[in-house]
Amino acid sequence: DAGVIQSPRHEVTEMGQEVTLRCKPISGHDYLFWYRQTMMRGLELLIYFNNNVPIDDSGMPEDRFSAKMPNASFSTLKIQPSEPRDSAVYFCASSLETAFTDTQYFGPGTRLTVL
Amino acid sequence: QKEVEQNSGPLSVPEGAIASLNCTYSDRGSQSFFWYRQYSGKSPELIMFIYSNGDKEDGRFTAQLNKASQYVSLLIRDSQPSDSATYLCAVNQISGGGADGLTFGKGTHLIIQP
Repeated sequence: DAGVIQSPRHEVTEMGQEVTLRCKPISGHDYLFWYRQTMMRGLELLIYFNNNVPIDDSGMPEDRFSAKMPNASFSTLKIQPSEPRDSAVYFCASSLETAFTDTQYFGPGTRLTVL
Repeated sequence: QKEVEQNSGPLSVPEGAIASLNCTYSDRGSQSFFWYRQYSGKSPELIMFIYSNGDKEDGRFTAQLNKASQYVSLLIRDSQPSDSATYLCAVNQISGGGADGLTFGKGTHLIIQP
């Protein structure tokens, strides 16, 4: 398997622009997670889906952020309008549903810079 | 609010020695505990997980869990320069038997000195 795929790998945009990050989970995985990593705050969970349904979006910082999962093989994280404080590395991860442990496999990340 | 605390380091260990990484967590409902390794500019990769009190060994790595003390540790034996990375501790609280989002510590930067 190719692992979790994210695109783009790098994104530079100007404040106020719309940004869309994309993720393809590992085939067969039931769960998809979006995380954000910054030096100040570390790695934070933004939202996660189970079988394409959003389960917990309490980590989404504000209404400027939205995420969708239209099918089992694709998810997007959108920021509109973007702000400089959104600059971070955004990771997508996926996992299989298990009775106890849920090893999450991370994609390579998208490094977002908002000028 | 779930919190996971780690010493940010850097933790410097000579090659061949044992590196000891520690983590504490605030939520007593946490059931699964994970150690991820992250090289600079790369994504986190799972080293091992543990969910029962005691020790769990996998090659040169040993995870230790003490739920009463809300403490998790990772030991790396025979440390190698390639072990130099940031080590992230993560916990989750399984709800209804399904998966859950992970709460991460900010990580400990480990340096193995040749």
